[in-house]
Amino acid sequence: DQQVKQNSPSLSVQEGRISILNCDYTNSMFDYFLWYKKYPAEGPTFLISISSIKDKNEDGRFTVFLNKSAKHLSLHIVPSQPGDSAVYFCAASRSNDYKLSFGAGTTVTVRA
Amino acid sequence: DAGVTQSPTHLIKTRGQQVTLRCSPKSGHDTVSWYQQALGQGPQFIFQYYEEEERQRGNFPDRFSGHQFPNYSSELNVNALLLGDSALYLCASSLIAGYNEQFFGPGTRLTVL
Repeated sequence: DQQVKQNSPSLSVQEGRISILNCDYTNSMFDYFLWYKKYPAEGPTFLISISSIKDKNEDGRFTVFLNKSAKHLSLHIVPSQPGDSAVYFCAASRSNDYKLSFGAGTTVTVRA
Repeated sequence: DAGVTQSPTHLIKTRGQQVTLRCSPKSGHDTVSWYQQALGQGPQFIFQYYEEEERQRGNFPDRFSGHQFPNYSSELNVNALLLGDSALYLCASSLIAGYNEQFFGPGTRLTVL
């Protein structure tokens, strides 16, 4: 049962423009959400997270938005850079449960 | 500061064989989780070890077992390998007190022929 879904397998964006990655979840008990970035032959690298008590969290070029009523979160990357080309995973967890549930990932390609 | 390390990098086995994968957590971390990532999918949680005990388990058969040592390093064992066990196996470490920010190793690519 896929509780975290990333419905866009791929995204192509021009350098300097905004990348918007979307993620939906079905488990209303999830209260913590994370984004990971993965390059080939490397493990996922933590990018940014957000608790369910917030609706926005920023870290440099990365901003995550959470819409609890819609069970939806998004990651904005502004401006996009060639080094941002990677697979991005959305993950979720709930209190007292240290397991992360991942989406299938979105491959981002930043064009020069 | 060494991050999470895993060995071996790649492994080829045949059906029915057994395999052991190894993981050393990030310095200062005491909790190790294992994930299986099949091609085109996100990582799937196998189990988590803390204080040398299996603390939580995902939806994987008993053929998958693990161990954590006093130095917090961990092993993942898979018995009676099936073709469907071919995947990237990721180890992640964290502080039990930390809120789910898990740090991943580069993974072990297992191919079952």
